[in-house]
Amino acid sequence: DAKTTQPPSMDCAEGRAANLPCNHSTISGNEYVYWYRQIHSQGPQYIIHGLKNNETNEMASLIITEDRKSSTLILPHATLRDTAVYYCIVRPLTGNQFYFGTGTSLTVIP
Amino acid sequence: EAGVAQSPRYKIIEKRQSVAFWCNPISGHATLYWYQQILGQGPKLLIQFQNNGVVDDSQLPKDRFSAERLKGVDSTLKIQPAKLEDSAVYLCASSLVLAGGSQETQYFGPGTRLLVL
Repeated sequence: DAKTTQPPSMDCAEGRAANLPCNHSTISGNEYVYWYRQIHSQGPQYIIHGLKNNETNEMASLIITEDRKSSTLILPHATLRDTAVYYCIVRPLTGNQFYFGTGTSLTVIP
Repeated sequence: EAGVAQSPRYKIIEKRQSVAFWCNPISGHATLYWYQQILGQGPKLLIQFQNNGVVDDSQLPKDRFSAERLKGVDSTLKIQPAKLEDSAVYLCASSLVLAGGSQETQYFGPGTRLLVL
C-alpha cells in the first residue's frame, strides 16, 4: 500500500512556481522521499529524492518538514512540458518497497 | 547513456492468447523490475530481479505470469493465458546496487501497452 497522500489534481500558470504537496505521516527514520513524474504515454521519470534535508537539482526543489511527515516538490518556473502525473513515494534505503499511489495530475495552463 | 529499452511498444491480443515482453536495462544495472500500470493507477511492482535471481515476486500472479532474466541482463515477462484484466502498461525499470546493498534510483523504460480483447 502507498504510504503517501497527494491531491488528485492541481493547475499552475505557465511561468509560475508549482508547489506539489505530499503527506507521509507514517514515514520511518530510514525511509527516503522520492518524486517521479509520468508524462502521458511515457515511463515514470525520476525527479529528486531526499531523507531529511531540503534538496535541489536542475529540475526541482524538495522541501521536507522538520518532522518529515510531509514534503513539497517545487517546480520553480513551470512550463507546458511539466504537465504530468507527479508521484511522491517513500522507500527504505534497502529493499524494493516502491509504492506509487495515484499521484497528482498537474496541468500547466498557458 | 542509453536508457531502459522495451519492446514491443504496443500489443493487441485476444483473451486466452499468450504474449511476451522484452526489457534491456541500463548497462551495469544489476537490479531489474517489472511493473504493471492499469489505466488511472500508479505502477505496481510485479517482480524484482537482482542479477539473474528473483528478489521479490510476491505480487506476480504466478498462475499466468512468468518472468526470467537468465543471463542477468535482458529480461522477458510472459502472460499465458491472457485475461481481459491484464490490459495495462507493463513497465521495466533498472537500478544500480550500491555498497551495502542499498538500491539506487530506478530508471524506467517507455513501457509496453497491452490490450486484451
